Amino acid sequence: KQEVTQIPAALSVPEGENLVLNCSFTDSAIYNLQWFRQDPGKGLTSLLLIQSSQREQTSGRLNASLDKSSGRSTLYIAASQPGDSATYLCAAGGSYIPTFGRGTSLIVHP
Amino acid sequence: DVKVTQSSRYLVKRTGEKVFLECVQDMDHENMFWYRQDPGLGLRLIYFSYDVKMKEKGDIPEGYSVSREKKERFSLILESASTNQTSMYLCASSFGFSGANVLTFGAGSRLTVL
Repeated sequence: KQEVTQIPAALSVPEGENLVLNCSFTDSAIYNLQWFRQDPGKGLTSLLLIQSSQREQTSGRLNASLDKSSGRSTLYIAASQPGDSATYLCAAGGSYIPTFGRGTSLIVHP
Repeated sequence: DVKVTQSSRYLVKRTGEKVFLECVQDMDHENMFWYRQDPGLGLRLIYFSYDVKMKEKGDIPEGYSVSREKKERFSLILESASTNQTSMYLCASSFGFSGANVLTFGAGSRLTVL
């Protein structure tokens, strides 16, 4: 059964830092790897999806990479801002059902 | 943009009541999912459906049932609500069966059972 782990569980940084959030998965036979953002009390918002044949995806200050062979994905956030404060979750996509990590709670303080 | 709409953002129910949580998506997605999210436990899949009238149990189906009579609507039913079903419930949908199928979530329904 697929297991997804996110490290660290929580992170607090000053504004302006570049950040790396980590996601590891045990079964490399995935269809995709998706990163989400969740604000308190809200649903999940999709940030980036990397298909299994791709190595990375970029959107603005966000860059996500995927290394299937090592079972890892990273989300890089450049020049962090207080508005980036949220929980970030990754999900490894199986045949129909993605498996979620428990998320990294990020606080960016001014 | 795909929109996934959950009918109730906040509900308060009493133990033993029958509870319906409704989810509607507007982009003709085949797959629909119900998750619950609890602090420290992450997202756990309750049920999913890959077509009309089709349903599959997820990791924690006990105490829940689902209905998908139309492609756009996926309902979660708590036949007799209990306090341990107090949680955030999240509905999601995705298109087809491919590596490109982005999972899109609704805003969530916060259920409190007293």
